[in-house]
Amino acid sequence: DTEVTQTPKHLVMGMTNKKSLKCEQHMGHRAMYWYKQKAKKPPELMFVYSYEKLSINESVPSRFSPECPNSSLLNLHLHALQPEDSALYLCASRIQGSGELFFGEGSRLTVL
Amino acid sequence: AQKVTQAQTEISVVEKEDVTLDCVYETRDTTYYLFWYKQPPSGELVFLIRRNSFDEQNEISGRYSWNFQKSTSSFNFTITASQVVDSAVYFCALSDPNAGGTSYGKLTFGQGTILTVHP
Repeated sequence: DTEVTQTPKHLVMGMTNKKSLKCEQHMGHRAMYWYKQKAKKPPELMFVYSYEKLSINESVPSRFSPECPNSSLLNLHLHALQPEDSALYLCASRIQGSGELFFGEGSRLTVL
Repeated sequence: AQKVTQAQTEISVVEKEDVTLDCVYETRDTTYYLFWYKQPPSGELVFLIRRNSFDEQNEISGRYSWNFQKSTSSFNFTITASQVVDSAVYFCALSDPNAGGTSYGKLTFGQGTILTVHP
């Protein structure tokens, strides 16, 4: 079982809705990530948090708003999304100084 | 800029066959990490191996083995005696050691190889 837990596993939302994706890890990792993966494509980095501070934003549209309330939690707030935002959203965490990311199972988002 | 190329888009084998997944990378960095991840239909990316750029020793873990050759910038992955449960998408990835203060945290992924193992 993965030690990075993501909820919900599936989400369907309209373009005017506001929703949030949640990610939780209790491994003591201080770096957390959001990746977006379209079908049949590799994951693409969206955001990186290091010690609860945003350190990388890969020019993601403002309709995606990340939040890291504490060292174990990472949220992705969604508002006014477009159908092309439909994808698998993967959360990951990493021990500082190490290389490998530990991924959750992802939240599959469909925007109608 | 970093780049990872997995030339094999799809591979289909019969159970018990050996299969090698190719990975070629490009980087100007002298220190970096290489990874292989497995993504089964459930969606989770499962970490398989990390290799430091200074360590060219090949590694074997059960039916899995990895051949890292810095001279050819390749990091190939072999599954011996494949099984149906090996069916998945496999990604090779390269870390960026200079990404925003979070060293090695930004991964550049290859396009992935879809492996199907038939019974």
